[in-house]
Amino acid sequence: DADVTQTPRNRITKTGKRIMLECSQTKGHDRMYWYRQDPGLGLRLIYYSFDVKDINKGEISDGYSVSRQAQAKFSLSLESAIPNQTALYFCATSDLGHSTSTDTQYFGPGTRLTVL
Amino acid sequence: ILNVEQSPQSLHVQEGDSTNFTCSFPSSNFYALHWYRWETAKSPEALFVMTLNGDEKKKGRISATLNTKEGYSYLYIKGSQPEDSATYLCATPTSGSRLTFGEGTQLTVNP
Repeated sequence: DADVTQTPRNRITKTGKRIMLECSQTKGHDRMYWYRQDPGLGLRLIYYSFDVKDINKGEISDGYSVSRQAQAKFSLSLESAIPNQTALYFCATSDLGHSTSTDTQYFGPGTRLTVL
Repeated sequence: ILNVEQSPQSLHVQEGDSTNFTCSFPSSNFYALHWYRWETAKSPEALFVMTLNGDEKKKGRISATLNTKEGYSYLYIKGSQPEDSATYLCATPTSGSRLTFGEGTQLTVNP
C-alpha cells in the first residue's frame, strides 16, 4: 500500500465550485506539503504544515486554503475554483530529521484537477 | 525566492548512450541540493541529497556531483535505458525544509 495517498486522483469541475483535495499518509511524518505542477514550471509550494497546529503559506497560496485534521491528514481546498487553477497537485510529507534542509520529501501520486 | 534552473528542458537519447544535465542554483546561503526522479503517472522519488562542495553520490548507473561555490550540480546517467525515461527535478531549500524546485529535465531514452 502507498505511504502517501491522494483523493481524488482526477477531478473535473466548473468555475466557481468549491473543491477539496485530500491527502493521507501512513509514514508517521509530522511535516506535510501541498504543491502544484504546471507544464514548464517546477513544483510550486502552496501551503505547508510542520505539525497539527502549524499552517504556513507557501509561494502561491492565494485562492487556496488548507486544513490539518490530524497528523496523517492534510487537505487542500479551492473555495471558488477558477480555470488557472487547472494543474497537477501533489501532496508530500517529510520527517523531522537531523537537519530540515536535508529532509527527503515523499510524494503522493498526484491529483489532476481541471477547472472548466 | 531562489532561482533554480535546469538545463536542458528536454533530452532524447538512444539506449546505451550516457547523458548528463545541469541544475544551477544561487551559491549564497547554500544548505543542500536534492535530486528527484519523476516518472509519468507516478510520484516523484528522491534520488540524492547533497550538502558538501565536491560531494559525489551514486546509485546504480546514476551519479551526481555538486559545486556549491559556483552553484551547480550535474546528474549523470551511464548507459541510459528506456526505464530511465523520466523527468529529473532538482531542488534546494529556501528556509527549513521548504524546497524550491527547478522546472526539470525531461529525459526520453529510445530503444
